[in-house]
Amino acid sequence: EPEVTQTPSHQVTQMGQEVILRCVPISNHLYFYWYRQILGQKVEFLVSFYNNEISEKSEIFDDQFSVERPDGSNFTLKIRSTKLEDSAMYFCASRRGNSNQPQHFGDGTRLSIL
Amino acid sequence: DAKTTQPTSMDCAEGRAANLPCNHSTISGNEYVYWYRQIHSQGPQYIIHGLKNNETNEMASLIITEDRKSSTLILPHATLRDTAVYYCIVRLELNYGGSQGNLIFGKGTKLSVKP
Repeated sequence: EPEVTQTPSHQVTQMGQEVILRCVPISNHLYFYWYRQILGQKVEFLVSFYNNEISEKSEIFDDQFSVERPDGSNFTLKIRSTKLEDSAMYFCASRRGNSNQPQHFGDGTRLSIL
Repeated sequence: DAKTTQPTSMDCAEGRAANLPCNHSTISGNEYVYWYRQIHSQGPQYIIHGLKNNETNEMASLIITEDRKSSTLILPHATLRDTAVYYCIVRLELNYGGSQGNLIFGKGTKLSVKP
């Protein structure tokens, strides 16, 4: 069964550095999402992406964050200047275009900011 | 999207049915009920969803009350590997009212399956 894949599984970065998290969504999916989960807390929506543009974003998704689908297969999340509070699990999800189809999630990237 | 209420935790004996309730009393006509689970710190795993009819797949059954104000996820024969946090999420149909389909997760129900 096709699945969403995320790399790396664990990323350790110094505070202030840029980091790029990568996702390969399921191939025939059209909608793409990033979520994050700080340790011990709820899964939080960050951003949704459709037709090569951001369709919705949360308050968390400020100017330090950006997303891109550079080549039709990868979907990336960039954090420009990381802060300690960016440490979290980051999950990518994708879904087909049908109105009630579910999102499917990857297993996440654990981002640790030192 | 409508809010949901779930018990914080539940226990279930291995091999027995696990019945996880969810209240969504403010659900609207265009909102679907979705169930996901999260095993340890893995990504949320889709289980099942429905609008008003009961649904069944290879993982679980979803029973939605006639007034749609509550639902129950049933795992018919729970195993130790079903120990997880289960999330009930109500979400607008994609593109209805501008919805982009993003999911709002609550704290879910921590299901512990015991031998």
